Amino acid sequence: GQSLEQPSEVTAVEGAIVQINCTYQTSGFYGLSWYQQHDGGAPTFLSYNALDGLEETGRFSSFLSRSDSYGYLLLQELQMKDSASYFCAVSPNQAGTALIFGKGTTLSVSS
Amino acid sequence: DSGVTQTPKHLITATGQRVTLRCSPRSGDLSVYWYQQSLDQGLQFLIQYYNGEERAKGNILERFSAQQFPDLHSELNLSSLELGDSALYFCASSVRDGTYEQYFGPGTRLTVT
Repeated sequence: GQSLEQPSEVTAVEGAIVQINCTYQTSGFYGLSWYQQHDGGAPTFLSYNALDGLEETGRFSSFLSRSDSYGYLLLQELQMKDSASYFCAVSPNQAGTALIFGKGTTLSVSS
Repeated sequence: DSGVTQTPKHLITATGQRVTLRCSPRSGDLSVYWYQQSLDQGLQFLIQYYNGEERAKGNILERFSAQQFPDLHSELNLSSLELGDSALYFCASSVRDGTYEQYFGPGTRLTVT
């Protein structure tokens, strides 16, 4: 079967750093993506890792370890507007057609 | 605003009915994907079209069908609706045939009563 595991909820305060982990078990793997979704909104693409290592995009970074079937999204200098759900998603093949999404992690940032 | 449009925004209908959801991809995007999001199942991939042709199928029920027209807009048809079909339906688009970077529309919230 195909499964992605991520924590259901994470809480943090403004200015802090938070890490959202994702472990996956899929029949194929080409890359790991992260999407952000605000309540009632559409998912928006944040980052993608196809190779092991860290990818940095502003305050957000994403990491992948293919050997451990594990990745994480690191959010730094948290702001209230970062309160949202974060989904990891696996591209199971090179064509990358069918993204397999985790169930999402709800991040709550307080002041 | 991703540039992907979906209509209608909300839809309320009764069990057994049939509805059509419409999606217009971003200008220049050839691929359209449909997803269903419910509280218990999360985001589930339904089907993908590329330049008018079906490219991939996910866990799409036989009661559901989709197509992509020559102008690249797409429609998702849901028939014999059941209470469990109540969900948020998203359309996403991308330039290439299958990519991790997809642009999602605002979604259609379907409520089956």
